[in-house]
Amino acid sequence: ENVLTQSPGTLSLSAGERATLSCRASQSVSSSFLAWYQQKPGQAPRLLIYGASSRATGIPDRFSGSGSGTDFTLTISRLEPEDFAVYYCQQYGGSPWTFGQGTKVEIK
Amino acid sequence: QVQLQESGPGLVKPSQTLSLTCTVSGGSISSSGSYWTWIRQHPGKGLEWIGYIYYTGSTHYNPSLESRITISLDTSKNQFSLKLSAMTAADTAVYYCSRGVWYGAQVVPFDPWGQGTLVTVSS
Repeated sequence: ENVLTQSPGTLSLSAGERATLSCRASQSVSSSFLAWYQQKPGQAPRLLIYGASSRATGIPDRFSGSGSGTDFTLTISRLEPEDFAVYYCQQYGGSPWTFGQGTKVEIK
Repeated sequence: QVQLQESGPGLVKPSQTLSLTCTVSGGSISSSGSYWTWIRQHPGKGLEWIGYIYYTGSTHYNPSLESRITISLDTSKNQFSLKLSAMTAADTAVYYCSRGVWYGAQVVPFDPWGQGTLVTVSS
């Protein structure tokens, strides 16, 4: 099983600041099949990024993804108030598909 | 725009089989390249992929749950379903359904998601 480890566990930032979230895989992620999701309290997750760097439909361009192999990054260029949430990475390149444990982006 | 909605019992007794249905609207469950997925989230915890069924009917399950899972399609109702047997308290979670799409070499994973349904296992 490909274990995904996200860091940091919690990121305390202010609106307007840049957020950098990390996702490290225990094995190389095949074909960069790595996605990022945002989840707000009481809501289902929402797809932000797939294929490591492709934005999903309707996702603002302040969200960007990068990386390959075992190291991936989600960057939010300037935090908006609605961006404070929990973010999960997920790999779908090898079975079983697995998620990271999440990074919470909270208001400082 | 595709939308998904889970339905099923909120409470299941230990050892029973959970049956959940996901109703798809705004698109066909038989759409080429589509795969229909179940994911769960234990209270206050992270996400766990349960399995998916491809539009052709082929399935792929999480090995940790494979012996207890059945996912099926009902094209006449534009629905897909999850059956999870031998339920225990450890299966208490919010269960989500979602869609993914294979576009040749590219795959768009879970998008969109249903709102989720909380299933509690208790006698």
